[in-house]
Amino acid sequence: DAKTTQPPSMDCAEGRAANLPCNHSTISGNEYVYWYRQIHSQGPQYIIHGLKNNETNEMASLIITEDRKSSTLILPHATLRDTAVYYCIVRPGSNYKLTFGKGTLLTVNP
Amino acid sequence: EPEVTQTPSHQVTQMGQEVILRCVPISNHLYFYWYRQILGQKVEFLVSFYNNEISEKSEIFDDQFSVERPDGSNFTLKIRSTKLEDSAMYFCATRPYAGGGTGELFFGEGSRLTVL
Repeated sequence: DAKTTQPPSMDCAEGRAANLPCNHSTISGNEYVYWYRQIHSQGPQYIIHGLKNNETNEMASLIITEDRKSSTLILPHATLRDTAVYYCIVRPGSNYKLTFGKGTLLTVNP
Repeated sequence: EPEVTQTPSHQVTQMGQEVILRCVPISNHLYFYWYRQILGQKVEFLVSFYNNEISEKSEIFDDQFSVERPDGSNFTLKIRSTKLEDSAMYFCATRPYAGGGTGELFFGEGSRLTVL
């Protein structure tokens, strides 16, 4: 599986957009980019995923660069409840197993 | 919203004892997974299970571990003889089918195992 690199921690002010970067320079053509988050040792929670195109859902937006070597998860209006560890995961199309890294601890401050 | 349910939420056991962790998957989900997370460390894949068979397992999933669906609904993880290093949070995850949908895994809230 392609390796991902994320900053260990980030801060964001409540109400502002949180932009979480992820580098996946070795990604293959059939590999998807998935984002999950884990709030204080709870079970990981799916946020969004994409292959080539940018994606948006009710939780977040995912921006994937044209060369697919990096992506950015955007939480448009961060709240205190968005404080969590965010995982960027590259997953082959044929295998649904997830390989978690250390993720980014996002702290949303009042 | 449907959810994956895990029991117990916390279990304390003595080293060498057998432990069974239970998971009730979301109805109509067909693929099941166990992950674990030692305190302060990464979430690690243990095993995947489909059609009453193990699909894939990690190096962690040795002979001390087993999984089954004893009654066609619950999905269990058994640790035969627990070690101190088995202390961790164990997460069950499920998904509905191979194709279509988002491919997301739905995780339970976890079972915390403490081995003394």
